[in-house]
Amino acid sequence: DVKVTQSSRYLVKRTGEKVFLECVQDMDHENMFWYRQDPGLGLRLIYFSYDVKMKEKGDIPEGYSVSREKKERFSLILESASTNQTSMYLCASRFPGEFTLHFGNGTRLTVT
Amino acid sequence: TQLLEQSPQFLSIQEGENLTVYCNSSSVFSSLQWYRQEPGEGPVLLVTVVTGGEVKKLKRLTFQFGDARKDSSLHITAAQTGDTGLYLCAGGSAGNMLTFGGGTRLMVKP
Repeated sequence: DVKVTQSSRYLVKRTGEKVFLECVQDMDHENMFWYRQDPGLGLRLIYFSYDVKMKEKGDIPEGYSVSREKKERFSLILESASTNQTSMYLCASRFPGEFTLHFGNGTRLTVT
Repeated sequence: TQLLEQSPQFLSIQEGENLTVYCNSSSVFSSLQWYRQEPGEGPVLLVTVVTGGEVKKLKRLTFQFGDARKDSSLHITAAQTGDTGLYLCAGGSAGNMLTFGGGTRLMVKP
């Protein structure tokens, strides 16, 4: 079974802090994704990566950046956290050419 | 931007009842997926439909892809408390990218 692990279940940060959300997958998937999930809005794509060192902006990249130095790890960075970034963050991975996403259990981030 | 609208947003029913959740768009999708998300977990794929008019059954769940590949429905027969969760539809398009609907939160009461 594919395992996608997000390092933190819950995080509480202060406005202006730099925040790192980590995601690791163990199935050698090339593609990795970061989504945020808000009630009624479904999943919105922040950034994705086709392979190591590659990154593409999704639908809502403002205020975020990413890092993909190793194939199994995809990090989401909030350069200066703001209260409107309070949300559930979901990481996912898959093989190229497939639609099916394998998700982690999410990180619930609260910015105060 | 492609949009997928799900209805209803919330549904609360008694165990044993039937229900249908809808996923609609003005855009054509090459495939349509349904995911279920339980509290504290990430979404998990239930089914993928790829052909217009396709119907797939998964035990008490029936999934249908519209003829024009713009809409889909999920029907649950004799709902059980274990069906409680958030149901998300996702349409596939160019580059294998997925567009997610807003979700339907289902509560099945004993």
